[in-house]
Amino acid sequence: AQKVTQAQTEISVVEKEDVTLDCVYETRDTTYYLFWYKQPPSGELVFLIRRNSFDEQNEISGRYSWNFQKSTSSFNFTITASQVVDSAVYFCALSALSGGYNKLIFGAGTRLAVHP
Amino acid sequence: DAGVIQSPRHEVTEMGQEVTLRCKPISGHNSLFWYRQTMMRGLELLIYFNNNVPIDDSGMPEDRFSAKMPNASFSTLKIQPSEPRDSAVYFCASSAGPPSNQPQHFGDGTRLSIL
Repeated sequence: AQKVTQAQTEISVVEKEDVTLDCVYETRDTTYYLFWYKQPPSGELVFLIRRNSFDEQNEISGRYSWNFQKSTSSFNFTITASQVVDSAVYFCALSALSGGYNKLIFGAGTRLAVHP
Repeated sequence: DAGVIQSPRHEVTEMGQEVTLRCKPISGHNSLFWYRQTMMRGLELLIYFNNNVPIDDSGMPEDRFSAKMPNASFSTLKIQPSEPRDSAVYFCASSAGPPSNQPQHFGDGTRLSIL
């Protein structure tokens, strides 16, 4: 079975703080893909990043960085120097080859509130 | 580039009425997905099309729900008759899949309220 767990339901920080959103996944597949999506208050779902199971290099994009660790089945997302515009619900998702297609298994999401 | 386009953005209707949600995927994408998002159940996959053919409809809740994809640039999700528990945000997504590494790109969603 495949599963994604985002244990943090809500996080509240003050602007300029760093914040890490946790994501733990379960799969028996050796080939799989991990994704993060952002859902701002306006409601749309925005694709942020995709990683494959063979690439454990961390990735940085501006203030965003992702830490993928197969040993702990985690794919955590860090926002450095958070801003009010980062306030959103963030979803981690998993897609595995055994699903036959790019079926996304979503976590429950973490609601991030960044206060001025 | 145009993203996934959904219409209407909002729909309010009375119980028992037929509801039709529409989706235009990104040009060139051959996979299309319909999702439902509620507070209680989160994001649920309803149905997946590949090359206009329904591949996985295991998430369709019941016979009141139906989806079609008559061509590569258009899909509909229909609820007939609608019930208050169908109130949710419905998302359409498309990808260049089906390889599992292809990201899905979502439309802005349709917020459906059944009174």
